[in-house]
Amino acid sequence: KAGVTQTPRYLIKTRGQQVTLSCSPISGHRSVSWYQQTPGQGLQFLFEYFSETQRNKGNFPGRFSGRQFSNSRSEMNVSTLELGDSALYLCASSLVLARTYEQYFGPGTRLTVT
Amino acid sequence: QQQVKQSPQSLIVQKGGISIINCAYENTAFDYFPWYQQFPGKGPALLIAIRPDVSEKKEGRFTISFNKSAKQFSLHIMDSQPGDSATYFCAASLKNNNAGNMLTFGGGTRLMVKP
Repeated sequence: KAGVTQTPRYLIKTRGQQVTLSCSPISGHRSVSWYQQTPGQGLQFLFEYFSETQRNKGNFPGRFSGRQFSNSRSEMNVSTLELGDSALYLCASSLVLARTYEQYFGPGTRLTVT
Repeated sequence: QQQVKQSPQSLIVQKGGISIINCAYENTAFDYFPWYQQFPGKGPALLIAIRPDVSEKKEGRFTISFNKSAKQFSLHIMDSQPGDSATYFCAASLKNNNAGNMLTFGGGTRLMVKP
């Protein structure tokens, strides 16, 4: 079974621009979560989508948004990019079954804001 | 209340030795405690996980020990190998799966296993 895929893998953007990152979950997984990883703040939860609805949201500004499509694929968008948004953005997918918590991560998208 | 504290930040172990990484949490509502392994340029990979109703779980060379009363859990890597050199993250998730998945991560431990 194919793992979580993320596109693009690398991205360079300029301050003030916006960016859209894409995530395809493992087949059959209906929950998609996004995390930001930086050397200073570590791994931080952004948001989670299930059945096209945002189910949880972390403590990030409204410039960070996302959506999920009917095939469970997800996108996240960051508007008005700031230098501090440079990070590895990770997507994780999971089954939604009783007491099943395992989340499987993709390779991430490395975003550099200049 | 949501914080997970991990130690040490870095660890050097000789090949064949035991690597021990510790985590402590504050929120007693956490119900699931996974460990992830991350190599440079890769996403975190789920290594092993435990629920608070057991005190220990072993998978191959990897063991999680869980102390519910102390709100601590640890990862033991037996017979550590150079290929185990990576960054390890502990994490915790809240109890109600219907409320969604949200992992709170520790700060990470960079493990180096010397040949």
